[in-house]
Amino acid sequence: QVQLVQSGAEVKEPGSSVKVSCKASGGTFSTYVFSWVRQAPGQGLEWMGGIIPVFGAANYAQKFQGRVTVSADESTSTAYMEMSSLRSEDTAVYYCARNWNDEAFHFWGQGTLVTVSS
Amino acid sequence: EIVMTQSPATLSVSPGERATLSCRASQSVSSNLAWYQQKPGQAPRLLISGASTRATDIPARFSGSGSGTEFTLTISSLQSEDFAVYYCQQYTKWPFTFGPGTKVDLK
Repeated sequence: QVQLVQSGAEVKEPGSSVKVSCKASGGTFSTYVFSWVRQAPGQGLEWMGGIIPVFGAANYAQKFQGRVTVSADESTSTAYMEMSSLRSEDTAVYYCARNWNDEAFHFWGQGTLVTVSS
Repeated sequence: EIVMTQSPATLSVSPGERATLSCRASQSVSSNLAWYQQKPGQAPRLLISGASTRATDIPARFSGSGSGTEFTLTISSLQSEDFAVYYCQQYTKWPFTFGPGTKVDLK
């Protein structure tokens, strides 16, 4: 059974950075696509970026290019999303997700609430 | 980037009725289209991938159709647990964009 377990809620000050983790279990890690999806309060889903660990290079939505880094550690089966220069509009729940037999998001983490506030 | 649109924004349905949700892509996504259901406070759940293939453990009352730029999610007989927000998503190329969602609520 595939499980994605994310790190806990964070409260950050504007201008700082946050790094959210997503630990995968129950299957192979390196050859699947791990994506990060953001959901601001009361809003829809927004794809931020994704990575296939065995290839290493990440792909980003233009909106997040340069401010978000998606990475993966094959030794611990963990994917990461780091966002810098945080602002209040980045307050949201951040989800990791993984594909299976196609590129749809078959598995989701429980979400991590990041609150940006002074 | 491929822009996804959904209609209607809100659909008011009575239990037992049929619900039809639409999704349109700004360019062809072939059959690389998924539907997700999200309830308040929960992570999204995959319902349909490949435009028409139900995901694991998804009831048969959910069905998807379409290809290219026009897609439909049909819930044949709405159950109380189906009141939620539904999102479509294309995954034919990065960025994997989502539609804005359709909220299915109680009539």
